[in-house]
Amino acid sequence: KAGVTQTPRYLIKTRGQQVTLSCSPISGHRSVSWYQQTPGQGLQFLFEYFSETQRNKGNFPGRFSGRQFSNSRSEMNVSTLELGDSALYLCASSSGQPAYEQYFGPGTRLTVT
Amino acid sequence: AQSVAQPEDQVNVAEGNPLTVKCTYSVSGNPYLFWYVQYPNRGLQFLLKYITGDNLVKGSYGFEAEFNKSQTSFHLKKPSALVSDSALYFCAVRDETGGSYIPTFGRGTSLIVHP
Repeated sequence: KAGVTQTPRYLIKTRGQQVTLSCSPISGHRSVSWYQQTPGQGLQFLFEYFSETQRNKGNFPGRFSGRQFSNSRSEMNVSTLELGDSALYLCASSSGQPAYEQYFGPGTRLTVT
Repeated sequence: AQSVAQPEDQVNVAEGNPLTVKCTYSVSGNPYLFWYVQYPNRGLQFLLKYITGDNLVKGSYGFEAEFNKSQTSFHLKKPSALVSDSALYFCAVRDETGGSYIPTFGRGTSLIVHP
């Protein structure tokens, strides 16, 4: 089975711009979660989509949004970028059941200048 | 609410020696516990999990973890460390009855294995 893929792997954006990140989960997985990883804050949960519906949401401002398509692929959008949004954004897919582990993609490294 | 603590930011061990990376958790109901490893510039990789049953769980790359309900701990162990085990390790917990499908992750422990 192919793993979780994320595109692009690296991005450099200017403050005030917006960005869209993409994630393709493992075939058959219906849950896609997004995390922001920074050295200071660790791994922070952004949101989770299950069967095209947002099922859980973390404590991030409304500038962070996402969606999931019928083929389970997911996109995450960040509008009006701030310097503090520079981070590694990780996507994780799973079956969506609590006892099952998540499979992470390699991440998208976003740098905001 | 669910939470997890990894009390050590960094663990240093000599190659060939046993290693332990500590994790304690707090949940209202029964816990589902996970360990993940992250190598530089990579995503997290699943190592092992405890759902129910035997308290000693074996996982990938020779790692194992012991679930201790009375101490609410789930420490990661390996009998003989390798330099290639050097990485960032994350413990995660889900509450079986909490209604949330999202795990809570610890802040991570950097394991450094010296040759």
